[in-house]
Amino acid sequence: AQSVTQLGSHVSVSEGALVLLRCNYSSSVPPYLFWYVQYPNQGLQLLLKYTSAATLVKGINGFEAEFKKSETSFHLTKPSAHMSDAAEYFCAVRIYTDKLIFGTGTRLQVFP
Amino acid sequence: NAGVTQTPKFQVLKTGQSMTLQCAQDMNHNSMYWYRQDPGMGLRLIYYSASEGTTDKGEVPNGYNVSRLNKREFSLRLESAAPSQTSVYFCASIPRRQGTTEAFFGQGTRLTVV
Repeated sequence: AQSVTQLGSHVSVSEGALVLLRCNYSSSVPPYLFWYVQYPNQGLQLLLKYTSAATLVKGINGFEAEFKKSETSFHLTKPSAHMSDAAEYFCAVRIYTDKLIFGTGTRLQVFP
Repeated sequence: NAGVTQTPKFQVLKTGQSMTLQCAQDMNHNSMYWYRQDPGMGLRLIYYSASEGTTDKGEVPNGYNVSRLNKREFSLRLESAAPSQTSVYFCASIPRRQGTTEAFFGQGTRLTVV
């Protein structure tokens, strides 16, 4: 069965600093991977997705993620954090037509 | 275009009461999902319906039942609510069964069981 692990339940950065949120997956077959963002009291919104077309994926709000098969990772990065990036971020994995499984989430705080 | 609509948005139940959470999507999506979100545990899959007429258990199905009423609607029922079911519940839909398509989420139902 597929699974994802998000290292670090909380990450704090200064405004303008690099954002790095970690996601590792477990899957016996090539996975489809997603990053979602959740702002307070809202539902989840797609940031970006990996569907095997390209290993470096660019998403909304300046975020990007790189699929590394050798490391079974799909880390989310943003070169320069903004106050509006403060939210909770979820990595998710899906295999073919199977169910969509989420990680435990990482709460990003951005300090001025 | 409403997307995924969940009702109610808030609910307080007493232990042992029953209720049904409603979810409807107007995007003609095939697959629908129910998740619960708890602090520190992310979103855990309760049940899902890969297509109209089918339902399958997810990671945490105990204490819940579901009905895929038609292509648009997927309801979640708590037959005898317990405090452990206090959570935020999210419904989601996916256009097709292929893995490349992302999920679209409702705004959530905040349920408290006292």
